[in-house]
Amino acid sequence: DAGVIQSPRHEVTEMGQEVTLRCKPISGHNSLFWYRQTMMRGLELLIYFNNNVPIDDSGMPEDRFSAKMPNASFSTLKIQPSEPRDSAVYFCASSSVDRGGYGYTFGSGTRLTVV
Amino acid sequence: QKEVEQNSGPLSVPEGAIASLNCTYSDRGSQSFFWYRQYSGKSPELIMFIYSNGDKEDGRFTAQLNKASQYVSLLIRDSQPSDSATYLCAVNQGGKLIFGQGTELSVKP
Repeated sequence: DAGVIQSPRHEVTEMGQEVTLRCKPISGHNSLFWYRQTMMRGLELLIYFNNNVPIDDSGMPEDRFSAKMPNASFSTLKIQPSEPRDSAVYFCASSSVDRGGYGYTFGSGTRLTVV
Repeated sequence: QKEVEQNSGPLSVPEGAIASLNCTYSDRGSQSFFWYRQYSGKSPELIMFIYSNGDKEDGRFTAQLNKASQYVSLLIRDSQPSDSATYLCAVNQGGKLIFGQGTELSVKP
């Protein structure tokens, strides 16, 4: 089991640039979640998908943020244009809907710095 | 009121002592509760989950749930320096996990 795989691990970009974060969930998991973690706000849920369909995107902070899940093994979170306040660690997590009650498995995260 | 509240700490305990971490939640309809451990610079990892009122034990860890008081706790017995981390309480609300801010635990040798 390779776990949840995120890329890149670190991203430094200039304000105004487009940033794309990638996630490969655990095979067989049909729920995928994007979280953002900062010191001030803690771990915030941005959006989640069940069976590749977005279920709740109420946590997406602005229209600059978008997420897609074109198939069961891949998801992207895009920020366009990026701003310094978007600097955070972005985590992807997955679970099985059947076993969602048993918690999620998190990826290693992407540390985003916007300068 | 935040949906899930924890004391941010830091909580400092000596090695071998019991560490007690607390969490309250606002949604009375929540049914499942989780404790995650996060080492500095790492991702959260699940250590315990609990659904029913009462205690659930797993090794040195005991989770306690009181739905009437909307209160969840985690006890760590015989605390070790390797337990030093941030502990995140999470509550399942409608299929999504809502996390508290976390409590930083420091176990001193």
